[in-house]
Amino acid sequence: EIVLTQSPGTLSLSPGERATLSCRASQSISSNYLAWYQQKPGQAPRLLIYGASNRATGIPDRFSGSGSGTDFTLTISRLEPEDFAVYYCQQYGSSPMYSFGQGTKLEIK
Amino acid sequence: QVQLVQSGAEVKKPGSSVKVSCKASGGTFSSYAISWVRQAPGQGLEWMGGIIPIFGIVNYAQKFRGRVTITTDDSTSTAYMELSSLRSEDTAVYYCAKSPSLAPGWFDPWGQGTLVTVSS
Repeated sequence: EIVLTQSPGTLSLSPGERATLSCRASQSISSNYLAWYQQKPGQAPRLLIYGASNRATGIPDRFSGSGSGTDFTLTISRLEPEDFAVYYCQQYGSSPMYSFGQGTKLEIK
Repeated sequence: QVQLVQSGAEVKKPGSSVKVSCKASGGTFSSYAISWVRQAPGQGLEWMGGIIPIFGIVNYAQKFRGRVTITTDDSTSTAYMELSSLRSEDTAVYYCAKSPSLAPGWFDPWGQGTLVTVSS
């Protein structure tokens, strides 16, 4: 099973700042099969990024994903008030077994 | 645009079973996989298993094997997740989520979630 470790656990930033979230895998993820999700309280997760770097439909271009192998990054270039939420990475390279990271909480400083 | 609508909240006794439904509208039900993911209060996301309806192939996370059963009713475009031998630690919100195709993939969209509370 591929274990995903996200860091930091909590990130405190102000609107307008740049956010960098990390997701590290215990083994290489084939074909960069990694996705990122945003979750707000009381809501289902929302897909942001798939294939490590492809933005999902309707996702603003301030969100970008990068990385390969075992190290992946989600970057939010300029934080908007609505971006403060919990972010999860997920691998689907070891299908049919999927796994999620433990999440990074992005909070307002 | 596929939408997933789940059944309502449930309260169950320890040792009993729960069956949650996930009805899909839009798209072709047999052309994609459906997974179930749960989230305990204040915790992260945990993949439980998934099904490819057209092939009847089901895979379960090792943690849930023997306790979870995922099925579909193609005539109503509905997927089901049944969890047995419930214990308090199974209290969580259970989500269904669609993969883009039959191949391994990300999850989009998700159902709205079903809260299952296990309490004596």
